Amino acid sequence: DAGVIQSPRHEVTEMGQEVTLRCKPISGHDYLFWYRQTMMRGLELLIYFNNNVPIDDSGMPEDRFSAKMPNASFSTLKIQPSEPRDSAVYFCASSFGQVGTYEQYFGPGTRLTVT
Amino acid sequence: AQSVTQPDIHITVSEGASLELRCNYSYGATPYLFWYVQSPGQGLQLLLKYFSGDTLVQGIKGFEAEFKRSQSSFNLRKPSVHWSDAAEYFCAVVRTGGGNKLTFGTGTQLKVEL
Repeated sequence: DAGVIQSPRHEVTEMGQEVTLRCKPISGHDYLFWYRQTMMRGLELLIYFNNNVPIDDSGMPEDRFSAKMPNASFSTLKIQPSEPRDSAVYFCASSFGQVGTYEQYFGPGTRLTVT
Repeated sequence: AQSVTQPDIHITVSEGASLELRCNYSYGATPYLFWYVQSPGQGLQLLLKYFSGDTLVQGIKGFEAEFKRSQSSFNLRKPSVHWSDAAEYFCAVVRTGGGNKLTFGTGTQLKVEL
């Protein structure tokens, strides 16, 4: 398996622009997670899905952020409008099953810079 | 709320020396515990996990960790560090019965001197 795939790997955009980050989880995994990593706040869980359904979005910072999972093999995280404080590395992770394993497989991340 | 504390932000060891990275958790019951490693520019990779049973768990890359309930700790160890072990290490916890949410510590940056 190719692992969790994220695109783009790097994104530079201007304040106010819409940004869409993409994730393809590992085939067969039923959980998908979006994290944000910054120096100030560390690694934060933004939202996670189970079987394509959002389960907990309490980590989404504000209404400018939205996430979707239209099918088992694709998810997006959208920021509209983007702000400089959104600059961070965004990780997608996937896992299989709730009990017995919490091994989350992380993608390589998308480094977002908002100028 | 559960929390994870990694008291050491940076650690430097010489290649071949032993390593111990500290992790303490705050939670009433025994949570599920994990150590992840993040190499520069990469995502996180699971090193090892503890759910129950033997309190000394073995992981990949020669790492091990010991769960100590009395100290609420889950320290990561390696007897002989290699230069390729230089990375950032994260301890994480999942509250038992609390869904699938990992809470990560702030990380420990490991530097290996040759």
